[in-house]
Amino acid sequence: KQEVTQIPAALSVPEGENLVLNCSFTDSAIYNLQWFRQDPGKGLTSLLLIQSSQREQTSGRLNASLDKSSGRSTLYIAASQPGDSATYLCAANQAGTALIFGKGTTLSVSS
Amino acid sequence: ETGVTQTPRHLVMGMTNKKSLKCEQHLGHNAMYWYKQSAKKPLELMFVYNFKEQTENNSVPSRFSPECPNSSHLFLHLHTLQPEDSALYLCASSRHSHGDVLTEAFFGQGTRLTVV
Repeated sequence: KQEVTQIPAALSVPEGENLVLNCSFTDSAIYNLQWFRQDPGKGLTSLLLIQSSQREQTSGRLNASLDKSSGRSTLYIAASQPGDSATYLCAANQAGTALIFGKGTTLSVSS
Repeated sequence: ETGVTQTPRHLVMGMTNKKSLKCEQHLGHNAMYWYKQSAKKPLELMFVYNFKEQTENNSVPSRFSPECPNSSHLFLHLHTLQPEDSALYLCASSRHSHGDVLTEAFFGQGTRLTVV
């Protein structure tokens, strides 16, 4: 059964820092890995989708990488801003299955 | 706005009540999902519908009853719930492409349910 783990559970950084959020999964036979952002009490906003044939995806200051063989994905946030404060979730799915989520990393960026 | 709309946004219900959560997607997707998010736990998959057919029931108690009348609408009927069922209930949708590969999933804003 697929399990997704995110480290660290919480992270506090000053504005302007570059940071990396980590996600690991136990079964490397995944189809997609997706990163989401969740603000308190709100739904999930999709940030990046990496398909199994891809190694990375970029959107603005965000870059997500995928290493299936090692069961890891990272989300890199450049030049962090207070508006980036939120919980970041990664999720993986295998053939025909729904997304399985990690517990998330709660990020706080101070000005 | 993600194209997935959930109503109501907040719901307080007693343990003997019957209520329904509604989800609607305008993305042309053919798969829809219900997830439960409780404090300090990962999102838990509850139900999956693919082309209006239920393809997954993740050992959910029968007091939760899903309904998918068409590929754009999904309901979650609730009855005789317990206080521990209080949580954020999230709906999502995605599209199955050739080869049964799920594409990017989009989520609604959720319904915050409180059972008293």
